[in-house]
This record gives sequence, C-alpha cells and structure tokens, in this order.
Amino acid sequence: DADVTQTPRNRITKTGKRIMLECSQTKGHDRMYWYRQDPGLGLRLIYYSFDVKDINKGEISDGYSVSRQAQAKFSLSLESAIPNQTALYFCATSYPGNTEAFFGQGTRLTVV
Amino acid sequence: AQSVTQLGSHVSVSEGALVLLRCNYSSSVPPYLFWYVQYPNQGLQLLLKYTSAATLVKGINGFEAEFKKSETSFHLTKPSAHMSDAAEYFCAVRGSGGSQGNLIFGKGTKLSVKP
Repeated sequence: DADVTQTPRNRITKTGKRIMLECSQTKGHDRMYWYRQDPGLGLRLIYYSFDVKDINKGEISDGYSVSRQAQAKFSLSLESAIPNQTALYFCATSYPGNTEAFFGQGTRLTVV
Repeated sequence: AQSVTQLGSHVSVSEGALVLLRCNYSSSVPPYLFWYVQYPNQGLQLLLKYTSAATLVKGINGFEAEFKKSETSFHLTKPSAHMSDAAEYFCAVRGSGGSQGNLIFGKGTKLSVKP
C-alpha cells in the first residue's frame, strides 16, 4: 500500500462546481503539503500544514482552501472550480527539518 | 528567498551517453538541495539529496550530483544513459525563514533517451 494516498486519481468536473481532493498518509509525518503541477511550470505550493493546528498559504492559494482533519489527513477544496485550475495535484508529507518530502501519486483534475 | 533554475526544459541523449541536467540555486542560507524524478503518470520519487555532509552525492539508479557553492550549482549526472531514464527531473531547494520546510521546485527538465 502507498504511504501517501490521494483520492480520486482522476476527476472531471464542471466550472463552478465545488470539489474536494483528499490525501491520507501512513508515514506518521506532521507536515503535509499540496502542490500543483502544470506543464513547463514545475510544482507550485498551494497550502502547507506543519501540524493539525497550523495551516499556511503557499505561493498560489487563491481559489483553494484546505482542511487538516487529523495528522494523517489533509484535504484540498476548490470552492468554485474554473478551467485554469485544470492541473495535476500532488499531496506530500515530510518530517520537520531539512528532509525530503514524500509524494502521493497525484490527482489529475480537469475543469470543463 | 530561495529559488531554483533548471537550464533546458528538454534534454535528449543517446543510450549509453552521458546525462547532464543542470540546476542552479539561489539561497541566502546554506541550502538543502534535492533531485526528484517523475516517470509518466506517476508521482515524484527522490533521486538524491544534499544536506551538507558531502559535496558529491550519490543517488539511486546510478545518478549523482555535485554541490558547488562557488557556482551555486547542483547538476545531476549519470555516466551512461539507459532507456528507462526517460522521465522528467526536478531540482528543489528547501525554503528557510517562514517557509522553512517547504520545497521550492524548478520548472523541470524532460529527459529523452534515443536508442
């Protein structure tokens, strides 16, 4: 089983709809992240959480919100999806300090 | 603020040839640097990381990278490319200050390997 699990893996939704992407982890890490990947732009940070009570905006948080339901769960919501939010979304986790992040398999979201 | 620049969005090599993927960083503090690989339809997998212990870092699948402070570089190399190396590669630096703990990524380099 994957250590960082994202659901759904693929989703097509209509403009204006609310959608939630979910992430759960079994690594026991306190820190969790949501990134967005667009071709030619690399990965950009949307939100991050250093523990259950600590949530912070990243580089591109507009149009997104998050919820840290538990140490192991971190959800990303698009309140009213728009076509330019079509992208590949990644959840990641890490320990505190200067360590690497561990990534889920990604959610491919298409907004039509 | 930290940043990463990857030179070349696409690199093509022949099987058996040297792979060189370039990464330059900007950091006001001693950097912690990472290379990740992304195979098609998959997530990111860590190739190697520099955490100040040694300037030449060896990773998985025969890749290595050398940290050069004077050049602010952390280029990724592999002596002999294999078809299975075809993927997208991302260089990343760990943030500091308020964003400490976050990884800041370059835009990626797509590696093609020709038979």
